[in-house]
Amino acid sequence: GQQVMQIPQYQHVQEGEDFTTYCNSSTTLSNIQWYKQRPGGHPVFLIQLVKSGEVKKQKRLTFQFGEAKKNSSLHITATQTTDVGTYFCAGPDTGNQFYFGTGTSLTVIP
Amino acid sequence: DTGVSQDPRHKITKRGQNVTFRCDPISEHNRLYWYRQTLGQGPEFLTYFQNEAQLEKSRLLSDRFSAERPKGSFSTLEIQRTEQGDSAMYLCASSPFRDARNIQYFGAGTRLSVL
Repeated sequence: GQQVMQIPQYQHVQEGEDFTTYCNSSTTLSNIQWYKQRPGGHPVFLIQLVKSGEVKKQKRLTFQFGEAKKNSSLHITATQTTDVGTYFCAGPDTGNQFYFGTGTSLTVIP
Repeated sequence: DTGVSQDPRHKITKRGQNVTFRCDPISEHNRLYWYRQTLGQGPEFLTYFQNEAQLEKSRLLSDRFSAERPKGSFSTLEIQRTEQGDSAMYLCASSPFRDARNIQYFGAGTRLSVL
């Protein structure tokens, strides 16, 4: 079955440092989404990328979809304590089953 | 927009018992998803509905699990003869699925503990 892996699994950064998480799918994705889950919370939608090579920005967050539509990345510039949480990539397979990545847990040290 | 509502928030049951969870999606969202999440893992797809039709079921969903969305609004997820391995957070999400944008809005989940 489809697998969606993310690296790193955990990341600790000093406040103000940058952070990147990488997402890799075993199959081509029609689109990819990113979600953030705060500790004790539920996943919250951040963004959807559809086009090959697409790059989108949301303030300090930059999202990229790979040319082959099998990988994606999320980069946060100058992290803040409010960025703490687990970031998941997710996407549908051809049958519309939705696969979430393994997640990257971000800790920001003030 | 009152958000996705799940009930109960917590459920403790003994092994072998049946449990049922309810999900009320955001009004007029035609897609509804069920996921299972264990500690430190991403949400694991279980099944989804387009209106009242159940369109996909994960191969991981054993015959002890059944889900319904009888009128295309709220949905229930039933687990029969619960096992300790069923202990997890069960998340429901709904989506308006407009213009191929499948943004999913999650509920707070039902945490199941099987003793």
